[in-house]
Amino acid sequence: AQSVSQHNHHVILSEAASLELGCNYSYGGTVNLFWYVQYPGQHLQLLLKYFSGDPLVKGIKGFEAEFIKSKFSFNLRKPSVQWSDTAEYFCAVTGSGGGNKLTFGTGTQLKVEL
Amino acid sequence: DSGVTQTPKHLITATGQRVTLRCSPRSGDLSVYWYQQSLDQGLQFLIQYYNGEERAKGNILERFSAQQFPDLHSELNLSSLELGDSALYFCASSADMGEAFFGQGTRLTVV
Repeated sequence: AQSVSQHNHHVILSEAASLELGCNYSYGGTVNLFWYVQYPGQHLQLLLKYFSGDPLVKGIKGFEAEFIKSKFSFNLRKPSVQWSDTAEYFCAVTGSGGGNKLTFGTGTQLKVEL
Repeated sequence: DSGVTQTPKHLITATGQRVTLRCSPRSGDLSVYWYQQSLDQGLQFLIQYYNGEERAKGNILERFSAQQFPDLHSELNLSSLELGDSALYFCASSADMGEAFFGQGTRLTVV
């Protein structure tokens, strides 16, 4: 069964600091990888996705992620965070043959302080 | 706005009762997914329907059931409710191999 691990549960940063959130997955076959964001009281929104091709993926709001197949990782990065990035971030994976159902990590709560 | 509509937004009900949550997917999306989000379990996949047929099943309790209707909207039925069923229930929809778009969720409180 596929699984996703997010190692940072709570992260606090100051504005303009750089961000990197870790994500590792466990799955034996081809995977599609996603990062979703959930702002307080809102629904999940897609930040970026990786299906194939260039392992460095750029998403919305200045976020990017790098797929490293050998490490089963898909870490999320942003060079300079803003207060408005305060949210919960979820890494997720779908595998071939899984009906496209998303398996989510436990989430990372990011707080950006002014 | 994701284009996925869920009703109601909030639901408060007593233990032992039955409720129905409704989801209208984005126009043209054939797949509908249901997820449960709780503090202790995180985001858990419950069930997926594709064009009216059940496609994948996750950690869905026997007290819970779902269906997708010919107009592609879906309903999640939760019965014999327990305090532990209190959670945020999300519906998502996708085109065949595309990304999933999530609704605003239904917050269920069982008292």
